Amino acid sequence: DVKVTQSSRYLVKRTGEKVFLECVQDMDHENMFWYRQDPGLGLRLIYFSYDVKMKEKGDIPEGYSVSREKKERFSLILESASTNQTSMYLCASSLRGPTNEKLFFGSGTQLSVL
Amino acid sequence: AQKITQTQPGMFVQEKEAVTLDCTYDTSDPSYGLFWYKQPSSGEMIFLIYQGSYDQQNATEGRYSLNFQKARKSANLVISASQLGDSAMYFCAMREEGYGGATNKLIFGTGTLLAVQP
Repeated sequence: DVKVTQSSRYLVKRTGEKVFLECVQDMDHENMFWYRQDPGLGLRLIYFSYDVKMKEKGDIPEGYSVSREKKERFSLILESASTNQTSMYLCASSLRGPTNEKLFFGSGTQLSVL
Repeated sequence: AQKITQTQPGMFVQEKEAVTLDCTYDTSDPSYGLFWYKQPSSGEMIFLIYQGSYDQQNATEGRYSLNFQKARKSANLVISASQLGDSAMYFCAMREEGYGGATNKLIFGTGTLLAVQP
């Protein structure tokens, strides 16, 4: 089975802190994604990567950056955490290919910024 | 730009009855895929069903079927014989083919919360 692992299930940080959310997948997927999920807004794409060191902005990249130094790992970085970044963060991965390639998701990280 | 719309924030259904969850989409790409995911209270995202834009028949997976109406740009999920375990958030999503499949990103709707009543 494909496994997408997010390093923390719950995280509490202070405003202004630099925050790293880590995601690792074990199926050699080319594509990796970071979404945030908020009530009433669904899942919104922050960044995605289709190869090592390659990244593309999603719909809401402001306040975030990403790093993909190895194929299996995709990190989301909050340079200076703010309270409006309190959210559930979901990592996902997929093969690169035709439109039917489904995403496999991690279990999510609930981040609270106080 | 691609867009997914789910107009039903929440729905009730009686156990053993069928229910339809609405999804409309917007894209200018002739090649695209439509997905439905289920998210129970545990938070995991579970893939349910896929429909390709060129598929001639509606997709089915067990009790799940996708009512695909291409001209109307709708991709409604039908759950037959609802069970208590079907209570969850349901998300519709779309991926465009783009150029060479390079985009490959999946865009989600806002979700519909389904509550199955005994």
